Amino acid sequence: DAKTTQPTSMDCAEGRAANLPCNHSTISGNEYVYWYRQIHSQGPQYIIHGLKNNETNEMASLIITEDRKSSTLILPHATLRDTAVYYCIVRSSNDYKLSFGAGTTVTVRA
Amino acid sequence: EAGVTQFPSHSVIEKGQTVTLRCDPISGHDNLYWYRRVMGKEIKFLLHFVKESKQDESGMPNNRFLAERTGGTYSTLKVQPAELEDSGVYFCASSLGLAGFYEQFFGPGTRLTVL
Repeated sequence: DAKTTQPTSMDCAEGRAANLPCNHSTISGNEYVYWYRQIHSQGPQYIIHGLKNNETNEMASLIITEDRKSSTLILPHATLRDTAVYYCIVRSSNDYKLSFGAGTTVTVRA
Repeated sequence: EAGVTQFPSHSVIEKGQTVTLRCDPISGHDNLYWYRRVMGKEIKFLLHFVKESKQDESGMPNNRFLAERTGGTYSTLKVQPAELEDSGVYFCASSLGLAGFYEQFFGPGTRLTVL
């Protein structure tokens, strides 16, 4: 049973911000929102995670709505190397497994 | 700091043969995980080690798969005998801690092709 819903694909122009939405309407209080990505022929790569506050690191920003039912991953200045499948994963603090869905295939175009 | 490494990067074998995949986690990471993506499907969890102990094997598809982690360092995943449906990419990951706020670091994967 899917805990998250993401668009199948999206395009983004190089140099522009990429905003990746994720719905997680059944998220519970102790569950974190994680984002990973998989660039072709590589293993999944951790991007960012958050509980309820917005988070930012050197790779991206994570905006979580106040009701926590959805979030947006923002890549501030997309480059061609950001072309990848992006996974939004809901995971509790006691959960060690990562449950990957289908993710969003992001294509950054020059 | 070296990341998670996996060997081989690619293996092509015939149905019925045996293959052993190896994973070297990041030094100091007690938690080691195996995942796989078979053709056209999503990445799925296989099993989890804490040091040398198997904590969760719930994702292992059947008894043709055997995972070990002797000494709590590197891990091996053996498929014997291999079947066509075992073809896919096998990923290993490691983490420092167990709880949900510890990120998992993934290796590049081993692409297994069973002919």
